Amino acid sequence: QAQLVQSGAEVKEPGASVKVSCKASGYTFTNYYIHWVRQAPGQGLEWMGWINPKSGDTAYARIFQGRVTMTRDTSITTGYMELTNLRSDDSAVYYCVTGYGYYTGWPFDYWGQGTLVSVSS
Amino acid sequence: DIQMTQSPSSVSASVGDRVTITCRASQGIEKYLGWYQQKPGKVPKVLIYDTSTLQSGVPSRFSGSGSGTDFTLTITSLQPEDSATYFCQHAHGFRYAFGQGTKLEIK
Repeated sequence: QAQLVQSGAEVKEPGASVKVSCKASGYTFTNYYIHWVRQAPGQGLEWMGWINPKSGDTAYARIFQGRVTMTRDTSITTGYMELTNLRSDDSAVYYCVTGYGYYTGWPFDYWGQGTLVSVSS
Repeated sequence: DIQMTQSPSSVSASVGDRVTITCRASQGIEKYLGWYQQKPGKVPKVLIYDTSTLQSGVPSRFSGSGSGTDFTLTITSLQPEDSATYFCQHAHGFRYAFGQGTKLEIK
């Protein structure tokens, strides 16, 4: 059973960057993509992108292109999501997710506990 | 990117009722459509994937159908614990956008 444990809450000023980590355990890390999804308070789910832990290949949603970078460290089975040039509307809970249905980690059965990122001056 | 449009945005129904939520993709997504249930303060839970495959442990009163661009989640014999927000999500072309959600209230 996959477990995803994320880093703690962050408070950032506009224009800063944030890097969230996601420690995976309970399965073979390189077998399934890790995705990142965010949810602003009271809002819906927004898919941000994925990383293939085996190759390091990534794909990002168009609205995050140029601002998001996803990386991984296979030696410690951890994925990372960095978002730059933060704005107030980036305030949200950020989740790492994966699943066993397809090698692409879909559907999203396993979710991290979420990392609250607050952007405020 | 493919856009997903859900309707209605909210619905209110009684215990025992049948509820239908629809999801439309801006272009064809083959069978790669999933449905999630999210309760307040919890992470989403997979109900259905590949249009109609019920995830293990999900009650059979949940079902999915559709093809191409139009998909449906149906909940029969509504139960109090079905009060939640439901999201559709496509998984076509290595992209995974969600619909905006449908809030289901039990009267």
